[in-house]
Amino acid sequence: KQEVTQIPAALSVPEGENLVLNCSFTDSAIYNLQWFRQDPGKGLTSLLLIQSSQREQTSGRLNASLDKSSGRSTLYIAASQPGDSATYLCAVMEYGNKLVFGAGTILRVKS
Amino acid sequence: NAGVTQTPKFQVLKTGQSMTLQCAQDMNHEYMSWYRQDPGMGLRLIHYSVGAGITDQGEVPNGYNVSRSTTEDFPLRLLSAAPSQTSVYFCASSERGIPNTEAFFGQGTRLTVV
Repeated sequence: KQEVTQIPAALSVPEGENLVLNCSFTDSAIYNLQWFRQDPGKGLTSLLLIQSSQREQTSGRLNASLDKSSGRSTLYIAASQPGDSATYLCAVMEYGNKLVFGAGTILRVKS
Repeated sequence: NAGVTQTPKFQVLKTGQSMTLQCAQDMNHEYMSWYRQDPGMGLRLIHYSVGAGITDQGEVPNGYNVSRSTTEDFPLRLLSAAPSQTSVYFCASSERGIPNTEAFFGQGTRLTVV
């Protein structure tokens, strides 16, 4: 059974700092890996999708990497801003387009 | 372009009542799924469908039924609501046949069972 773990569970940083969120998964037989952002009481916003054959994806200040063989992904946020404060969820897609989620990292960026 | 639409957004039920959470998508996606999110946890898969007329169980299916009579709609039925079903429910859809495909989510239904 696939298990997805996100570290740290919570993170508080001053504005402007570069930061890394970690995601690990136990079964490398995945179709892709997605990073989502979730604001309190809101739905999921897709940030980055990394295909199983890719090593990384970039969007603005966000960069996500994938090492399928070791079961790891990282989300790098450059020059963090208070508006980045949210919960970040990592999910791997398996056969049947089923997603297995981590519990998330709660990020707070202090101004 | 509506994407994935869930109704209602909020619902309060009494223990033992039944209800249906609606999910509709307008992207012609064949894959649809239901997840629940509990405090401090990620989303967990309840049921999923790989096309009209085909459904299967996910990680936490007990107490829920689904059907898929059309490509667009994937309702989730609570047969006899229990306080343990208090949660936020998300519906998602994605394309079939393309393994490296993005999942799109609805805005969620916040359900409280008293």
